[in-house]
Amino acid sequence: DIQMTQSPASLSASLGETVTIECRASEDIYNGLAWYQQKPGKSPQLLIYNANSLHTGVPSRFSGSGSGTQYSLKINSLQSEDVASYFCQQYYNYPYTFGAGTKLELK
Amino acid sequence: EVQLVESGGGLVQPGRSLKLSCAASGFTFSNYYMAWVRQAPKKGLEWVATISTSGSRTYYPDSVKGRFTISRDNAKSSLYLQMNSLKSEDTATYYCARHRTMGILGYFDYWGQGVMVTVSS
Repeated sequence: DIQMTQSPASLSASLGETVTIECRASEDIYNGLAWYQQKPGKSPQLLIYNANSLHTGVPSRFSGSGSGTQYSLKINSLQSEDVASYFCQQYYNYPYTFGAGTKLELK
Repeated sequence: EVQLVESGGGLVQPGRSLKLSCAASGFTFSNYYMAWVRQAPKKGLEWVATISTSGSRTYYPDSVKGRFTISRDNAKSSLYLQMNSLKSEDTATYYCARHRTMGILGYFDYWGQGVMVTVSS
């Protein structure tokens, strides 16, 4: 199985700040990576797919990048509504695996 | 608007069975792979099952293979998850998700609100 190592586990940032979340795969996943946002008490929502493609309706302050085994999610100009947990998921191969998540809070 | 509404959760004893349902609307259900993803309390996400558009192909992780069965009824725009021989570690919120695939692999672009399954004596 492909292991997804996500960092940091938690993050505290100020409004307007830029934050970056990383995900490392245990082998090359050839951009088969998605990012999800999960607000407290809600279901996950797709943000990014194919490592860098923005899902419909997602604000442009979210962006994804990376290749090979290293990927990142960047949030520009942090807003209060971005407080959530973020998860990466590889879909290069079955079984699909997720990162353990990053909890983003406001400072 | 894509809508996925799960039902059928609840409290069940270890070793017993439970069947979850997901009613889909707002899109042509038969054109999409579908999936179940679960989340144990205060934990991360775990993919549970995927089914192809016709239902002829199904995929599972080892943790549920042989115990869980995913199925679908395209005429009813409904997805199901039959869970047998339940264990305490199956306790989780179960999400129905629409599956965008490139070939047989892909990501989840819409999720239901989730249904809680508690396995306990």
